[in-house]
Amino acid sequence: DIQMTQSPSSLSASVGDRVTITCRASQGISNYVAWYQQKPGEVPKLLIYAASTLQSGVPSRFSGSGSGTDFTLTISNLQPEDFATYYCQQYKSAPFFGGGTQVEIK
Amino acid sequence: EVHLVESGGGLVQPGGSLRLSCAASGFTFDDYAMHWVRQAPGKGLEWVSGIDWRSGDIDYADSVKGRFTISRDNAKNSLYLHMNSLSADDTALYYCVKDMGVWGTSAGHFDHWGQGTLVIVTS
Repeated sequence: DIQMTQSPSSLSASVGDRVTITCRASQGISNYVAWYQQKPGEVPKLLIYAASTLQSGVPSRFSGSGSGTDFTLTISNLQPEDFATYYCQQYKSAPFFGGGTQVEIK
Repeated sequence: EVHLVESGGGLVQPGGSLRLSCAASGFTFDDYAMHWVRQAPGKGLEWVSGIDWRSGDIDYADSVKGRFTISRDNAKNSLYLHMNSLSADDTALYYCVKDMGVWGTSAGHFDHWGQGTLVIVTS
């Protein structure tokens, strides 16, 4: 199995900040990475797939990058509605989610 | 609009069995692979199983292999998960999830999620 190590597990940020979340795959996975957002009491929402392709309807302040083993989700100009938990997921092999990053209000 | 509605969760004793169902609407069900993803209370996401459009390509997480069986009935627009030999580790909210892949094969990323059905394994 290809595992994903996500960091940090939590972070505090202010509205307007730029936030970066990283995921490292246990082996090379090209660009087979997706990112999801989950707010408390809600279902996960797909933000990005193929490492950098923005899902339809997702604000452009969300961006993804990376290839091989290292991947990044960046939220520029953090908005109040962005406080949530974010998960990376690889799909080069059987899908595997990272442990999640909780973005909290500073 | 895509709708995925899970049912069948509940309380079950260790060693017991349960069958989850997912009723799909709002899209051409047999054009897409489908999956089950679970989330234990207060924990992260865990992919459980996936099935392609014609049930020819099926896969399971190691944690459920040999105990769970995924199936689908395209005529009924329904997805199922048969769960046997349940343990406390299987306690979770189980989501029915639509794959984004075209032509019925699995792309491996998920664009629509049901609200989930809760399975609690306890004596």
